[in-house]
Amino acid sequence: GAGVSQTPSNKVTEKGKYVELRCDPISGHTALYWYRQSLGQGPEFLIYFQGTGAADDSGLPNDRFFAVRPEGSVSTLKIQRTERGDSAVYLCASSPTGLGTRDTQYFGPGTRLTVL
Amino acid sequence: GENVEQHPSTLSVQEGDSAVIKCTYSDSASNYFPWYKQELGKGPQLIIDIRSNVGEKKDQRIAVTLNKTAKHFSLHITETQPEDSAVYFCAANSPSWAGGTSYGKLTFGQGTILTVHP
Repeated sequence: GAGVSQTPSNKVTEKGKYVELRCDPISGHTALYWYRQSLGQGPEFLIYFQGTGAADDSGLPNDRFFAVRPEGSVSTLKIQRTERGDSAVYLCASSPTGLGTRDTQYFGPGTRLTVL
Repeated sequence: GENVEQHPSTLSVQEGDSAVIKCTYSDSASNYFPWYKQELGKGPQLIIDIRSNVGEKKDQRIAVTLNKTAKHFSLHITETQPEDSAVYFCAANSPSWAGGTSYGKLTFGQGTILTVHP
């Protein structure tokens, strides 16, 4: 079946601009996660959705970052007033329920964001 | 919060040799430990995982061991092949509470670049 998909695969923008990154989770998965991966590092947690609600946004670095999942499926990560330090690969993952602590997370291919 | 350390950062082996990657974690409440393989330009792919109620799990050439007392777990790849070359990440899933329910928050190691020479 289809896995997690993310669009665009690459995004180049200028400092100060606004960007949106999209994630389509595996059909039926109620849990969705966003991670950020800097060069040479492991993914770092940003936010977790359980259904439509952001259950844990403790990883968002500041208030320029925001994410939504209005219908409990597709999610959009929004970054305002982008800075060069925001350049990274943004990964999305989904899992069947998100409940409990042993739910396997499946990752998408990521969006490489470059802020010039 | 959870802290995961991974070693080595790079590993170079000859085809057919074994490769071992080790990770330690800090949160004794962590109870699920997946390993991901990431190829260039792709997202992490789950290759094997282990839950805290077992000490070892094998899947063909790949095995993972867990020592809860010492808080470390390892990935073992036998009979390595050039297509095993990639970056490998360990992760620990520590229980967190959100929205009134428990969920697991993954913390990743720094990654190991594995190169298998033909």
